[in-house]
Amino acid sequence: NAGVTQTPKFQVLKTGQSMTLQCAQDMNHNSMYWYRQDPGMGLRLIYYSASEGTTDKGEVPNGYNVSRLNKREFSLRLESAAPSQTSVYFCASENLQGNSYGYTFGSGTRLTVV
Amino acid sequence: KQEVTQIPAALSVPEGENLVLNCSFTDSAIYNLQWFRQDPGKGLTSLLLIQSSQREQTSGRLNASLDKSSGRSTLYIAASQPGDSATYLCAVDGSSNTGKLIFGQGTTLQVKP
Repeated sequence: NAGVTQTPKFQVLKTGQSMTLQCAQDMNHNSMYWYRQDPGMGLRLIYYSASEGTTDKGEVPNGYNVSRLNKREFSLRLESAAPSQTSVYFCASENLQGNSYGYTFGSGTRLTVV
Repeated sequence: KQEVTQIPAALSVPEGENLVLNCSFTDSAIYNLQWFRQDPGKGLTSLLLIQSSQREQTSGRLNASLDKSSGRSTLYIAASQPGDSATYLCAVDGSSNTGKLIFGQGTTLQVKP
């Protein structure tokens, strides 16, 4: 099925460990995004990529890095995890061009840092 | 800085009621506004998108309105059903059309049979 696929779905890390969250979309969308969702905070943008080869910081980029590997894939890396990064992470993609305008979210990665 | 607020945070209604969810934003210079639905433990599903030049959008029992000048949007759900129980989030895209959304905290709706 077409959409946005995130892996893994769940992860527990120890403080200081590193990991990469993977995201892939098969809708040929140009733009991709990483958000985090915390209770009472709504979703906040971490990083985004307007097109292959470009990335920019969002509202809460500290502690994260991203890679837009190709048009399909956009990964989020935590180099040294901290308890404050315990959250649900959502990847999304969007087609901003033409008459087709759709924001599609993945099902999320639930990350706990202990 | 754009801020998006949704009131109330939670709402419980009996089945069959018509209801309105509210969203307000502080900066009227927006490109569009979207309403999403989120089921527990799931991702977000786009419900309706209103471009800045539009006043409303409709999809089935859902109708979303936009008043840019007052910084407000409403999501109207007609004849609510238990299956409508979910969290509803609104989000605005700033005037530059980057797709970078600013979200409200959401309204959690429970429709009782």
